[in-house]
Amino acid sequence: ETGVTQTPRHLVMGMTNKKSLKCEQHLGHNAMYWYKQSAKKPLELMFVYNFKEQTENNSVPSRFSPECPNSSHLFLHLHTLQPEDSALYLCASSQDYILNSPLHFGNGTRLTVT
Amino acid sequence: DQQVKQNSPSLSVQEGRISILNCDYTNSMFDYFLWYKKYPAEGPTFLISISSIKDKNEDGRFTVFLNKSAKHLSLHIVPSQPGDSAVYFCAASALRNSGNTPLVFGKGTRLSVIA
Repeated sequence: ETGVTQTPRHLVMGMTNKKSLKCEQHLGHNAMYWYKQSAKKPLELMFVYNFKEQTENNSVPSRFSPECPNSSHLFLHLHTLQPEDSALYLCASSQDYILNSPLHFGNGTRLTVT
Repeated sequence: DQQVKQNSPSLSVQEGRISILNCDYTNSMFDYFLWYKKYPAEGPTFLISISSIKDKNEDGRFTVFLNKSAKHLSLHIVPSQPGDSAVYFCAASALRNSGNTPLVFGKGTRLSVIA
């Protein structure tokens, strides 16, 4: 296993469901991120964790709940989502959040909310 | 309001020619710029970066140019190869007391290199 791994790759859920996205990085990085990519929009930062502490919450609705149990794992818990939340959710990691270290992205989870 | 703009959604270039991808930004506090490349069904991968203290950074076939006065940067790929066909994202961050701000991304430009 190398890099940043995201599961599942695809997820279809109803508006009343509860599901979780998982991200794992094998790079020894200290910072992890959730990004959202909607059609025809730029990548939007959702959350940042640095050394397991949340350092950024980019005004994300509470129906998205992140969890970072350790520096290698990041979860995004989803509940009562809306159809407009359908998007590609990308996890990323970097060596350090303070310094300019490039992001390493996973392949994303394609989420469809019905 | 978009702080990082990639005004060309797509670009087609003949194999062997130069590809030039452009990016404009509005925040004069941005001091670090990166380009990412994304293939379908994969996450973006880091390509090249440039700090605001430089105006050019080169890595093999890839060169990034920064024009701070115009708030403009460009990525040159020469010679272009079919494997370069992907979506290219421009990103920027600004220095603050607690370290750099999170990256702000453009919408991307889809490059097609035609054999």
